[in-house]
Amino acid sequence: QSALTQPASVSGSPGQSITISCTGTGSDVGNYNLVSWYQQYPGKAPKLIICEVTKRPSGISNRFSGSKSGNTASLTISGLQAEDEADYYCCSYAGSRHWLFGGGTKVIVL
Amino acid sequence: EVQLLESGGGLVQPGGSLRLSCAVSGFTFSNNAMSWVRQAPGKGLEWVSAISGSGGNTYYADSVKGRFTISRDNSQNTMFLQMNSLRAEDTAIYYCVKEDHLVGHTTSFDIWGQGTMVTVSS
Repeated sequence: QSALTQPASVSGSPGQSITISCTGTGSDVGNYNLVSWYQQYPGKAPKLIICEVTKRPSGISNRFSGSKSGNTASLTISGLQAEDEADYYCCSYAGSRHWLFGGGTKVIVL
Repeated sequence: EVQLLESGGGLVQPGGSLRLSCAVSGFTFSNNAMSWVRQAPGKGLEWVSAISGSGGNTYYADSVKGRFTISRDNSQNTMFLQMNSLRAEDTAIYYCVKEDHLVGHTTSFDIWGQGTMVTVSS
């Protein structure tokens, strides 16, 4: 099982919207609605920001939203803010109680 | 407050062993499956292993199967990862992670510890 594919970096200006893609296969992303997204600042532990493709845990800003189409999941950050500059990882259930993460995407706020 | 506190990391030679611990507080430990997720320096996240709430079921990534053993002591609210036959590529920060679940199925990793660093080098 290979890692899910994410772009290495995505950039945007404050106030803009950006979208991070996460591409898997029909055995993981395409087969289960169990995609989650994590935000990680340098030197810190990851933090859950989206679960089950579209759900936001309590306390997570509604500027973060998730979606999925076929084998590709997406995270959209609207109204981009300086504090959104971080690494973002997608994760999908891959069957047989195994999980796959994406390689990570660095979000740069210009 | 939910807390996960890892310990046991350090420097070990290739072929050596190390045992990681994760002390948990703030939730009913035995009701939750748990996982270990690792992150090599400058790299992405990799799921390593998971254990059911009772400890009766364990799961491993192919990269560690046969070398790592996950376990838990629900009376002590602690999870463990015994790592044997360590290789340079096992060098990483190891995170203890609580699994969130819905109708008995894990949906995400909702709480993460701060991690413990494992370095495999001669």
